[in-house]
Amino acid sequence: RKEVEQDPGPFNVPEGATVAFNCTYSNSASQSFFWYRQDCRKEPKLLMSVYSSGNEDGRFTAQLNRASQYISLLIRDSKLSDSATYLCVVNKNAGNNRKLIWGLGTSLAVNP
Amino acid sequence: DGGITQSPKYLFRKEGQNVTLSCEQNLNHDAMYWYRQDPGQGLRLIYYSQIVNDFQKGDIAEGYSVSREKKESFPLTVTSAQKNPTAFYLCASSIDLGLAGRNGQFFGPGTRLTVL
Repeated sequence: RKEVEQDPGPFNVPEGATVAFNCTYSNSASQSFFWYRQDCRKEPKLLMSVYSSGNEDGRFTAQLNRASQYISLLIRDSKLSDSATYLCVVNKNAGNNRKLIWGLGTSLAVNP
Repeated sequence: DGGITQSPKYLFRKEGQNVTLSCEQNLNHDAMYWYRQDPGQGLRLIYYSQIVNDFQKGDIAEGYSVSREKKESFPLTVTSAQKNPTAFYLCASSIDLGLAGRNGQFFGPGTRLTVL
């Protein structure tokens, strides 16, 4: 099983739609989780951290389910500018060597 | 404005040549990282540095070397020993290595290296 798994998509949705992505992780000891956004041929940019209690930032909501070992990202009222690849990132937390493990990303295309 | 800069944006190299990619940050971050990204693959860690004059191999360090003589700078050298150097190289930084797990990492715009 991969350490971090995402559905690659693409997810094609119309403007204004609500879309959700899930990401599963294998290491039950992982403590920190993030969603990054990456536009084509650009660097990843931190979208939001994922907290145990769930958190919201405008149209974006992130949730953590430790029992089932997955995190989710919900985007409401999709905009054309939301079209990008969304990367799930998990803190490996292996001793003192705290490395981030990156998913391959989920591609989202928001259509007019 | 604080941020991370990488240069050059595009780089072409002949086989057998070493090349150095620049990474500078003015965020006052202690930790810095180098990743490479290939089509269809996630980011893979090449080297990371927690503090000046210290650095550690990541998952794919073979054929690469780094230095960390200043807090702001973490250059990466792609040597001729790297068998598949053509890739998108990303430099990142975080407040410190431990807090990368809480606050995430922040990236420069990347360098696209093509070996001819």
